[in-house]
Amino acid sequence: NAGVTQTPKFQVLKTGQSMTLQCAQDMNHNSMYWYRQDPGMGLRLIYYSASEGTTDKGEVPNGYNVSRLNKREFSLRLESAAPSQTSVYFCASRAGTRGSDEQFFGPGTRLTVL
Amino acid sequence: AQSVTQLGSHVSVSEGALVLLRCNYSSSVPPYLFWYVQYPNQGLQLLLKYTSAATLVKGINGFEAEFKKSETSFHLTKPSAHMSDAAEYFCAVAPTAYSSASKIIFGSGTRLSIRP
Repeated sequence: NAGVTQTPKFQVLKTGQSMTLQCAQDMNHNSMYWYRQDPGMGLRLIYYSASEGTTDKGEVPNGYNVSRLNKREFSLRLESAAPSQTSVYFCASRAGTRGSDEQFFGPGTRLTVL
Repeated sequence: AQSVTQLGSHVSVSEGALVLLRCNYSSSVPPYLFWYVQYPNQGLQLLLKYTSAATLVKGINGFEAEFKKSETSFHLTKPSAHMSDAAEYFCAVAPTAYSSASKIIFGSGTRLSIRP
């Protein structure tokens, strides 16, 4: 099992460029999440998908869009990147059947917007 | 709404000393509680979780945490720190009344440094 995988690992963009961060899980989990992590800010939830076919906004959704392509894949799109979106992005998944289910995290994507 | 508070954004201990990372939760009923660890340049991984089966929970790498309902706490401890324990630690809470919209709420994290 690969668990949660994210691509790319690193990315540098210029202001105004667009890109899609990819995430996939092979654990047959129902729920998937996108977070950003900034120094001193902890983890902030951008969007989540409680189950295939549904997506909802988290704390900081502005400037992002998501797609739950199928049960395995959940992508995050930046339509017009801004320097404020420089961050480390983590995807996570959760079985989503019981409250005691833990989240499994990917290795992260380090994004720099110039 | 549920929340967790981690006291101390940075804790520094000497190698071999006791590690104590504090976490307090806010919830109307005892929730499920988690501790995650994040090593430099990696994602978060589960250390341990409390699911009401036992108040003292043992996790990986010699860590344990005790659920104290009267104090609404779930502090993480390790008797003897090792250099490899240097990392960021996150406490997290989830409601026991599960729904498809239920989410795990993370604390702000505590960075643990180990002095030689």
